[in-house]
Amino acid sequence: KQEVTQIPAALSVPEGENLVLNCSFTDSAIYNLQWFRQDPGKGLTSLLLIQSSQREQTSGRLNASLDKSSGRSTLYIAASQPGDSATYLCAAPLKAAGNKLTFGGGTRVLVKP
Amino acid sequence: NAGVTQTPKFRVLKTGQSMTLLCAQDMNHEYMYWYRQDPGMGLRLIHYSVGEGTTAKGEVPDGYNVSRLKKQNFLLGLESAAPSQTSVYFCASTLTGDTQYFGPGTRLTVL
Repeated sequence: KQEVTQIPAALSVPEGENLVLNCSFTDSAIYNLQWFRQDPGKGLTSLLLIQSSQREQTSGRLNASLDKSSGRSTLYIAASQPGDSATYLCAAPLKAAGNKLTFGGGTRVLVKP
Repeated sequence: NAGVTQTPKFRVLKTGQSMTLLCAQDMNHEYMYWYRQDPGMGLRLIHYSVGEGTTAKGEVPDGYNVSRLKKQNFLLGLESAAPSQTSVYFCASTLTGDTQYFGPGTRLTVL
């Protein structure tokens, strides 16, 4: 059974600082690795998806890396802005499970102006 | 495109009552999912469907039933609601089995 962990559970940084969010998973036979953003009271918005054969994926100020051998993914957000304040979740579905997502508990980020 | 929509947005039930949550998507997606989100427990998969007329159990299926009679709709039913089913319910869909698109959620309280 896949287990996904996100540490820390909460993070507060001043505006402009780079954010580093961590995601670890126990089973490396993943289908892909997905990062989502969730604003309070809202649904999840997909940020990045890294296929199991890829090492990283980039979109604007966001960059996500994947290291299956160590069971880790890292989401980097450059030059953080107050609008980046949200909860960030990762999910690591197993190949054997198709695309049924197993989520981490999330990291709640606050970017202070 | 409306994307993924969920009805209703909020609901309060008494223990033992029944209700149905509706998820609709207009993206012609094959796969649809129901999750629940609870503090300290994260998001957990309840049931899912890989196509019209198919359903399968997820991680926490007990107390719920689902139906996918039409490709665009995925219904989640609670036959006899319990306080433990107080949660926020999210529906998601995907075409190819990759990026999932989530609805805005239904906040359910069972008294």
